[in-house]
Amino acid sequence: GQQLNQSPQSMFIQEGEDVSMNCTSSSIFNTWLWYKQDPGEGPVLLIALYKAGELTSNGRLTAQFGITRKDSFLNISASIPSDVGIYFCAGQLASGYALNFGKGTSLLVTP
Amino acid sequence: GAVVSQHPSWVICKSGTSVKIECRSLDFQATTMFWYRQFPKQSLMLMATSNEGSKATYEQGVEKDKFLINHASLTLSTLTVTSAHPEDSSFYICSASGAGYQELFFGEGSRLTVL
Repeated sequence: GQQLNQSPQSMFIQEGEDVSMNCTSSSIFNTWLWYKQDPGEGPVLLIALYKAGELTSNGRLTAQFGITRKDSFLNISASIPSDVGIYFCAGQLASGYALNFGKGTSLLVTP
Repeated sequence: GAVVSQHPSWVICKSGTSVKIECRSLDFQATTMFWYRQFPKQSLMLMATSNEGSKATYEQGVEKDKFLINHASLTLSTLTVTSAHPEDSSFYICSASGAGYQELFFGEGSRLTVL
């Protein structure tokens, strides 16, 4: 499967700052997802988006499914040290299909 | 959400030996399981898709004779790395899809180190 274009590759910010990362694809996906992965662990789902144009929040996290179905962004507001980790976007053609992952955004938050 | 468990969480083996990694869905029936490989500081790359009771479908560039996948039941899939070499050292992660669930569920991952 194709690998999605995710940016930025890494971010180094201060606690309290807002963070934004995005993901683009050359092809359409019907589901966009955002995951966080801590070292040595599997990815954990943060937000799932099922409809083009959908804007969904989960606490301090907000994500949107682009209307073209080829992109998505994730915002983290008021970052805290425990937000540190690697964030991956993923696109899925349909339920039951494998996920195509982005290259990841490494987030470092200093107190 | 549903739970997917992998075992072992880490394994160290000598070059040339075979290693089996198990992926279990603990509280749902996984009709489809996916195996991913993740090298350090890289993304998850799909290796193969397995449906219960049928042969796995491998992604381009993944050797089916080296990475044997068995999905004999609705709750268990296994990945066997045969004749492992140091370049097979990686983090292997499974995910499962089940009827009635819209999302995929990921295991905790298994770190393989081949000496």
